[in-house]
Amino acid sequence: EAQVTQNPRYLITVTGKKLTVTCSQNMNHEYMSWYRQDPGLGLRQIYYSMNVEVTDKGDVPEGYKVSRKEKRNFPLILESPSPNQTSLYFCASSENRAYSNQPQHFGDGTRLSIL
Amino acid sequence: AQTVTQSQPEMSVQEAETVTLSCTYDTSESDYYLFWYKQPPSRQMILVIRQEAYKQQNATENRFSVNFQKAAKSFSLKISDSQLGDAAMYFCAYRSDMEYGNKLVFGAGTILRVKS
Repeated sequence: EAQVTQNPRYLITVTGKKLTVTCSQNMNHEYMSWYRQDPGLGLRQIYYSMNVEVTDKGDVPEGYKVSRKEKRNFPLILESPSPNQTSLYFCASSENRAYSNQPQHFGDGTRLSIL
Repeated sequence: AQTVTQSQPEMSVQEAETVTLSCTYDTSESDYYLFWYKQPPSRQMILVIRQEAYKQQNATENRFSVNFQKAAKSFSLKISDSQLGDAAMYFCAYRSDMEYGNKLVFGAGTILRVKS
């Protein structure tokens, strides 16, 4: 089954404790992306990757890091989480830009609470 | 930068009735794609329907259809014969065909409640 898998689905942690949210897709997609969802703001892009070893900032990259060492994985790293990063996070993947009308496939979301 | 506006934070519809969710967007581009996503309480993001800007014909998927008005930059979603399972948050999204990257620009969302 084609899917984007995020882990964990829920996490409560404290300010300053490094955490990683993993994302893996099994569709051989070149493009992967992270979004955060906040009430009244919809989803906003954090980082994206067009291919292995190629990453770029989205609209709200401050406080986040990503890596793309393998095509299937795109982890989101919070080196020193702060309460304003409390949010619902989504990983998404799709075929590359040549097929830009193709929809992005989303993971099931990760609810992060930073105390 | 492109923006997407959903002016209805919440909408209600009676089961079996029709409801229309509004979406407007701002862009200077001529080629782009528009999407409606459904987010039920399970938090999944489910693609409902998509529209290519170069196509004049409005997209339709079963009970879901859009009214795409390119000149007015409007992209509303019509749900016919509403069902209890349609209750969800609905997001309108824009994707440029010219900018590097596959970024989706989302509206703030509309909560749809379906009454039995």
